[in-house]
Amino acid sequence: EVQLLESGGGLVQTGGSLRLSCAASGFTFSDYAMSWVRQAPGKGLEWVSAISGSGGSTYYADSVKGRFTISRDNSKNTLYVQMNSLRAEDTAVYYCANSGYSGSWYDGFDHWGQGTLVTVSS
Amino acid sequence: SYELTQPLSVSVALGQTARITCGGNNIGSKNVHWYQQKPGQAPVLVIYRDYNRPSGIPERFSGSNSGNTATLTISRAQAGDEADYYCHVWDSSTGVFGGGAKLTVL
Repeated sequence: EVQLLESGGGLVQTGGSLRLSCAASGFTFSDYAMSWVRQAPGKGLEWVSAISGSGGSTYYADSVKGRFTISRDNSKNTLYVQMNSLRAEDTAVYYCANSGYSGSWYDGFDHWGQGTLVTVSS
Repeated sequence: SYELTQPLSVSVALGQTARITCGGNNIGSKNVHWYQQKPGQAPVLVIYRDYNRPSGIPERFSGSNSGNTATLTISRAQAGDEADYYCHVWDSSTGVFGGGAKLTVL
């Protein structure tokens, strides 16, 4: 059974940093691209970033480009996102997700974690 | 940047057919994915690549995509179908979600 478990969320001050992790199990992690998707309280879904299975290719939403860095450690089956220069508008539940049926980053997400809440406040 | 437009809300009588639209410029040339999200839960993929159903998704859920509009159709709507529904495409190496449509089953 595929499992994605996010951690690392919490309260951080404006301008601060936080690193989220997503521990994966139940599949060959390195064969699958991964993404982060966020959802601000009471709002819709927003794609944040994606990374290829090897980690060699990364993609970002304009809203986080230059501030967030996605990475992965295939030896630990773990996905990360380093979030710097955090703003109030980054407050959201952050989900990791992937396309289990294709492995591609450019596809629909049929596997999701339960999310971790990041709150940015002054 | 590419934008997807969904109605804020859609209502359907119990047992009838609900249609949720997703508008975008020439969206028919893209693969559209649909998610169902209930309060406090992670999204669930209900349609991928326009009309394909993942395993475990009832046949009552179907999708179509042409021109500037993609449509998620839910037949024989049930109370358990009440949820937010989001469409999703990829454009220029960027993921794009619609704003979401709240489905109410009357």
